[in-house]
Amino acid sequence: ELKVEQNPLFLSMQEGKNYTIYCNYSTTSDRLYWYRQDPGKSLESLFVLLSNGAVKQEGRLMASLDTKARLSTLHITAAVHDLSATYFCAVDIFRSGNTPLVFGKGTRLSVIA
Amino acid sequence: DADVTQTPRNRITKTGKRIMLECSQTKGHDRMYWYRQDPGLGLRLIYYSFDVKDINKGEISDGYSVSRQAQAKFSLSLESAIPNQTALYFCATSDAADASNTGELFFGEGSRLTVL
Repeated sequence: ELKVEQNPLFLSMQEGKNYTIYCNYSTTSDRLYWYRQDPGKSLESLFVLLSNGAVKQEGRLMASLDTKARLSTLHITAAVHDLSATYFCAVDIFRSGNTPLVFGKGTRLSVIA
Repeated sequence: DADVTQTPRNRITKTGKRIMLECSQTKGHDRMYWYRQDPGLGLRLIYYSFDVKDINKGEISDGYSVSRQAQAKFSLSLESAIPNQTALYFCATSDAADASNTGELFFGEGSRLTVL
């Protein structure tokens, strides 16, 4: 059974600081997805990581995937208030094609002045 | 208009009532999903369908049923609602992940259900 663990689950950080959210998963996978959810809203796709060593960046967010370590990171650079949201990672079982994504519990990020 | 549309967006009902949540999509995806979100528990899969004739139980299917009426429509029913089914429900769609498609999920706006 594929398990996906995110840490931390809650993160309060000051504006301008850097931090990393971690996503560990239990079985081999070659696809990992990051989503953002604002309070009371839907989930919005942030990054799709499709191979070992993949790195994607948009604005102050950078995501990477290490399939050998079964680990993805979401790095936040010089945080701003607008980044306050809940971030989810989701994982696809390795080349299964026929199983839905499994989500982590999410990391609630609060950026404070 | 949204690519994935859920109705109703909000619903308050009483214990024992039958409730249907509907989802329609214009993305042309074969795969559709129903998730439930509770605070601190992330998203949990209720049911999924990979094409019109395919229905599969997810992690928490007890107390729920689904119908895939067409490629674009996937409805979730609570036959006899109970208070612990109070939650935010999301419909999502995707293509199969392959060389051409990422397999990422596209979510509807959510349906907030309260069972009194």
